[in-house]
Amino acid sequence: AQTVTQSQPEMSVQEAETVTLSCTYDTSENNYYLFWYKQPPSRQMILVIRQEAYKQQNATENRFSVNFQKAAKSFSLKISDSQLGDTAMYFCAFIGDDKIIFGKGTRLHILP
Amino acid sequence: KAGVTQTPRYLIKTRGQQVTLSCSPISGHRSVSWYQQTPGQGLQFLFEYFSETQRNKGNFPGRFSGRQFSNSRSEMNVSTLELGDSALYLCASSYGPGTSLYEQYFGPGTRLTVT
Repeated sequence: AQTVTQSQPEMSVQEAETVTLSCTYDTSENNYYLFWYKQPPSRQMILVIRQEAYKQQNATENRFSVNFQKAAKSFSLKISDSQLGDTAMYFCAFIGDDKIIFGKGTRLHILP
Repeated sequence: KAGVTQTPRYLIKTRGQQVTLSCSPISGHRSVSWYQQTPGQGLQFLFEYFSETQRNKGNFPGRFSGRQFSNSRSEMNVSTLELGDSALYLCASSYGPGTSLYEQYFGPGTRLTVT
């Protein structure tokens, strides 16, 4: 069965710093998708970035980028020049074999 | 374009009762997925409906059921409520199947408290 592990329950960084959130997963599938979603306090969950497993190039969306290591089954999220508005719960999600599995999340605090 | 809406936003029920939650997807979206979010278990997939058919189901007991109407609106029903059903129930819509590369757009959730 597929699993998704986010090993950092909570993190704090200073504004403008770079932070990396880790995510590892376990699957026997070869074709799948990986997502990072962000849930700000009392606000709706929104997509941050997504990656197709067959693509070797790491996805990038402005200040957000991923380090996708397929062999290691690792999908970390890097936030550059962090801003106060990045404070949120971040969820890593695996989609494959018609299943979607979320990690338990990392609560990220950006400190002024 | 209006976002995903969920009603009601808050609900308090007693053990043994049943409850129905509603989700209106973004116009044009055909897929609606439901999730249960709790502090202990995180976000868990309940089921997905696509064009009025259940495509996928998570590992939840039969007390949890759902349906989707021809306008893509979806309802989720929980019968014989238990204390452990207290959670934030999120629905998400997408243009294509939820278990694909299509982005899911989440609603604000329904906070269910079972006493």
